[in-house]
Amino acid sequence: QKEVEQNSGPLSVPEGAIASLNCTYSDRVSQSFFWYRQYSGKSPELIMSIYSNGDKEDGRFTAQLNKASQYVSLLIRDSQPSDSATYLCAVNEGRETSYDKVIFGPGTSLSVIP
Amino acid sequence: DAGVIQSPRHEVTEMGQEVTLRCKPISGHDYLFWYRQTMMRGLELLIYFNNNVPIDDSGMPEDRFSAKMPNASFSTLKIQPSEPRDSAVYFCASSQTLRTGRYGYTFGSGTRLTVV
Repeated sequence: QKEVEQNSGPLSVPEGAIASLNCTYSDRVSQSFFWYRQYSGKSPELIMSIYSNGDKEDGRFTAQLNKASQYVSLLIRDSQPSDSATYLCAVNEGRETSYDKVIFGPGTSLSVIP
Repeated sequence: DAGVIQSPRHEVTEMGQEVTLRCKPISGHDYLFWYRQTMMRGLELLIYFNNNVPIDDSGMPEDRFSAKMPNASFSTLKIQPSEPRDSAVYFCASSQTLRTGRYGYTFGSGTRLTVV
């Protein structure tokens, strides 16, 4: 059974600080990694994707991937109250027959305190 | 584009009744996914289709659940008979992917199902 694990939180950070969200996965051959943001009562929204080891930056968001450690993280710089949401880590199954099947972690609840 | 469209937004039904959830994927997307979200279990993949063909239904909880995709622009998820434990938010998502799985999903706004 493929697993994606995240700290459930809640994670609280002051406005303007860096929020660090972590995720580990069990499938060694996974190739695609995603971060989704979900506001309360809304649907998940894709905010970042990463496929290669290292860092990928998009505005205030940086995704980091380390396949050897089976670890992916999301950093949010200059956190804003509007970033308060649940962040879902998602990982695709690595087998050729199921590349398009994505497993979601339980999510980390982030609260940015003004 | 209007995005992924789900209906109804909310459904309250009595135990034992049949429930049908509907989804219209984004035009041109060839993958469609049905997920269920609960506080206890998070987001669970129920079934997904590629070019209208079911690929993996291993997440469908039991025979009471069935899903169809008669054409590229419409899919249904049916629960018959419904039970209180089926209460959850059901999301439909679509994607245009290569075999590398390198595209994320676009989710619909979900259907909140309550079975009393």
